[in-house]
Amino acid sequence: DAGVIQSPRHEVTEMGQEVTLRCKPISGHDYLFWYRQTMMRGLELLIYFNNNVPIDDSGMPEDRFSAKMPNASFSTLKIQPSEPRDSAVYFCASSPDRVEKNIQYFGAGTRLSVL
Amino acid sequence: AQKVTQAQTEISVVEKEDVTLDCVYETRDTTYYLFWYKQPPSGELVFLIRRNSFDEQNEISGRYSWNFQKSTSSFNFTITASQVVDSAVYFCALSRNRDDKIIFGKGTRLHILP
Repeated sequence: DAGVIQSPRHEVTEMGQEVTLRCKPISGHDYLFWYRQTMMRGLELLIYFNNNVPIDDSGMPEDRFSAKMPNASFSTLKIQPSEPRDSAVYFCASSPDRVEKNIQYFGAGTRLSVL
Repeated sequence: AQKVTQAQTEISVVEKEDVTLDCVYETRDTTYYLFWYKQPPSGELVFLIRRNSFDEQNEISGRYSWNFQKSTSSFNFTITASQVVDSAVYFCALSRNRDDKIIFGKGTRLHILP
């Protein structure tokens, strides 16, 4: 089975532009997580979904960030408008049901550079 | 509050040496899970191990071993006979039983020198 798939792998954009990051979780996984990784702050959980429903978005930095999961096989993280301080690697991870909960399987990440 | 501390930010050892990565955690819960993840230069995070708080047995998997000690709130990771391919950033993490999310430490960057 394919792992978690993220696209694009790299994104370079200019300040003020809208950025959309995409994630396809592992088929059959009930949980989906979005993380941001920076040198200063390490790995931060932004938001997570259970069965396509957002459960905890307390890590979303501000209103410029939004995430959706329209179906079990797709999620997006959108930044509008983007700012240079949003430059980071964004990871998506998925996890099976509660029997194997918390073992999260990560995608390769999207490296975002906002100029 | 939950917290994971990896005091070693960066370690360098020569190939074939043994190396231990330290992890200290804080939680008030009696039931929790501890994890180690590896992030190689390619960037993705790879799950290595999960241990629940009721299982203090040490675990060995090939050259990797983990020492869980509740008395010192530590969950240390040892690589025996290190290899260049072990070079990566290693993250220790903690999750409460009733939580779906994981709290990660800041990571330890390990360099294995040939």
